[in-house]
Amino acid sequence: EAGVAQSPRYKIIEKRQSVAFWCNPISGHATLYWYQQILGQGPKLLIQFQNNGVVDDSQLPKDRFSAERLKGVDSTLKIQPAKLEDSAVYLCASSSWTGAYGYTFGSGTRLTVV
Amino acid sequence: EDKVVQSPLSLVVHEGDTVTLNCSYEVTNFRSLLWYKQEKKAPTFLFMLTSSGIEKKSGRLSSILDKKELFSILNITATQTGDSAVYLCAGGGSQGNLIFGKGTKLSVKP
Repeated sequence: EAGVAQSPRYKIIEKRQSVAFWCNPISGHATLYWYQQILGQGPKLLIQFQNNGVVDDSQLPKDRFSAERLKGVDSTLKIQPAKLEDSAVYLCASSSWTGAYGYTFGSGTRLTVV
Repeated sequence: EDKVVQSPLSLVVHEGDTVTLNCSYEVTNFRSLLWYKQEKKAPTFLFMLTSSGIEKKSGRLSSILDKKELFSILNITATQTGDSAVYLCAGGGSQGNLIFGKGTKLSVKP
């Protein structure tokens, strides 16, 4: 089974620029998660989708972050405008159903905002 | 507020030593406690614990959960340099979301 695919692997942008990350979950997985991991911290959930609906986006900074999963398959996470504190690894994960915890993470996108 | 606290935050041992990593949690609608190993970017799944007192084992790694004390430990015996990594503990809420601790950075010296 193919894993969770993410791109790009690395991105360096200047503050106030915009950036987008892409995630393709494991085939057939209904639930998709975006986590943000700042250096020295554990991952923090930004948003959780069930098919193309949002289950939890309570920790997503909605003034600058947006995410979508239009067809219930792949997803994009966007930051506009970026701030220095957005420098982090953005991890995508998927699971076959909501509540299945041992899910698989993608390799992540490392974002550096300068 | 949900929180997961891991200790120690970092640990340096020599090959062959046994280590114990600690994790305490306070998670609303708690369902499961999970351990992950993170070497570069992607955390890789180690264990999921849902019942108290039942030890899970995989090779030299083992883990147990105490739901009364809201605590879990991860043991690694006969450590090897390949065990060097950050070990993440996470509490699972009712909708599949995970609340992670900061991790324990383990360094195993030859």
